[in-house]
Amino acid sequence: NAGVTQTPKFQVLKTGQSMTLQCAQDMNHEYMSWYRQDPGMGLRLIHYSVGAGITDQGEVPNGYNVSRSTTEDFPLRLLSAAPSQTSVYFCASGDRERTYLGGYTFGSGTRLTVV
Amino acid sequence: LAKTTQPISMDSYEGQEVNITCSHNNIATNDYITWYQQFPSQGPRFIIQGYKTKVTNEVASLFIPADRKSSTLSLPRVSLSDTAVYYCLGSNFGNEKLTFGTGTRLTIIP
Repeated sequence: NAGVTQTPKFQVLKTGQSMTLQCAQDMNHEYMSWYRQDPGMGLRLIHYSVGAGITDQGEVPNGYNVSRSTTEDFPLRLLSAAPSQTSVYFCASGDRERTYLGGYTFGSGTRLTVV
Repeated sequence: LAKTTQPISMDSYEGQEVNITCSHNNIATNDYITWYQQFPSQGPRFIIQGYKTKVTNEVASLFIPADRKSSTLSLPRVSLSDTAVYYCLGSNFGNEKLTFGTGTRLTIIP
């Protein structure tokens, strides 16, 4: 049981490049979400999903796309990277029936730098 | 979900008990209070949750008064490894997302 796995752990992009951050969970959780965390700040929600085929926007969705074709995977796509997207990205998954019981599990993060 | 307010930072010495208070004046009747801990360069992890009165586990205690407008996370006899950011959130059944504030940055001094 690996939990939530994020790849890569580190990435440097040039402005304008695109890339996909991968997130996979093996706990059969219905909920998955992406957050970004800027230095000294809390986590801000980018996109989230309540199940395969269903996604919705969070607080800061601009410049990012997501899809959820399977329960296990929830990739985050940066369409045209900008320096303002330099951040640490966290993926989380949650058990719908246990979210209030701390049912969310976070990955270890992807540190992205856009130059 | 409830808007929460916490101190931005706190310092404490090793071996002391640390209490972090969170204010949540508009908490909904069906919201639980949940605390997450985040170590540097790691994702947050759940540490404790409660609805009313007192809850204790191997990591911390959580005190929630009868009016539920605030809660206090208590860490007994802290060590350097308790240095982290602590987030207080309101959460209930079926929450499809979590809303984080800026949290409280706790620094333990040797």
